[in-house]
Amino acid sequence: DTEVTQTPKHLVMGMTNKKSLKCEQHMGHRAMYWYKQKAKKPPELMFVYSYEKLSINESVPSRFSPECPNSSLLNLHLHALQPEDSALYLCASSPVPTTYEQYFGPGTRLTVT
Amino acid sequence: ELKVEQNPLFLSMQEGKNYTIYCNYSTTSDRLYWYRQDPGKSLESLFVLLSNGAVKQEGRLMASLDTKARLSTLHITAAVHDLSATYFCAVDARQGAQKLVFGQGTRLTINP
Repeated sequence: DTEVTQTPKHLVMGMTNKKSLKCEQHMGHRAMYWYKQKAKKPPELMFVYSYEKLSINESVPSRFSPECPNSSLLNLHLHALQPEDSALYLCASSPVPTTYEQYFGPGTRLTVT
Repeated sequence: ELKVEQNPLFLSMQEGKNYTIYCNYSTTSDRLYWYRQDPGKSLESLFVLLSNGAVKQEGRLMASLDTKARLSTLHITAAVHDLSATYFCAVDARQGAQKLVFGQGTRLTINP
């Protein structure tokens, strides 16, 4: 299994809602990542988990809350988002040591209304 | 702070022609990656370049890395329509865990 899966594929939420994005991989990778990608822009790193511990937080607002319950699963909890948070959210994973390329999931397209 | 710049940002070319995309980066790194993204889709890994002078080829694409010049190139040979996509280079900023900083992307359109 060489796949990173993400659910849901699309999400529309209001500014007062709480929702979660889910990412799963079964490749035995011990590093997992969240990226945000706005239209026609490159992906921007949000968070990195290494061995289930948060190792990089790119000064992301607290309305985004990551969680790594186990080595295969990565969640991104969303609360009180703003319309400018609408974007494609990509999850990725890679083996450790992290010399290797990251494998990206299909993404969740989030719209905040 | 690591900065990664690609050029050109837009490239329209005819089938059968050759062209090169350039990726410059601002601080020392010996880990560079090339990804492809089709519209509305995720990123697909193309090449991993891990040392000075590394050259990798897959089909009509060839990537190289010059760490001294802080430059990578992605060369397209005899382009075909299926290669139309956005191509990103990414450099590892190496803050313990892998931290990729992406270039702006090159939107490549190949016309019949």
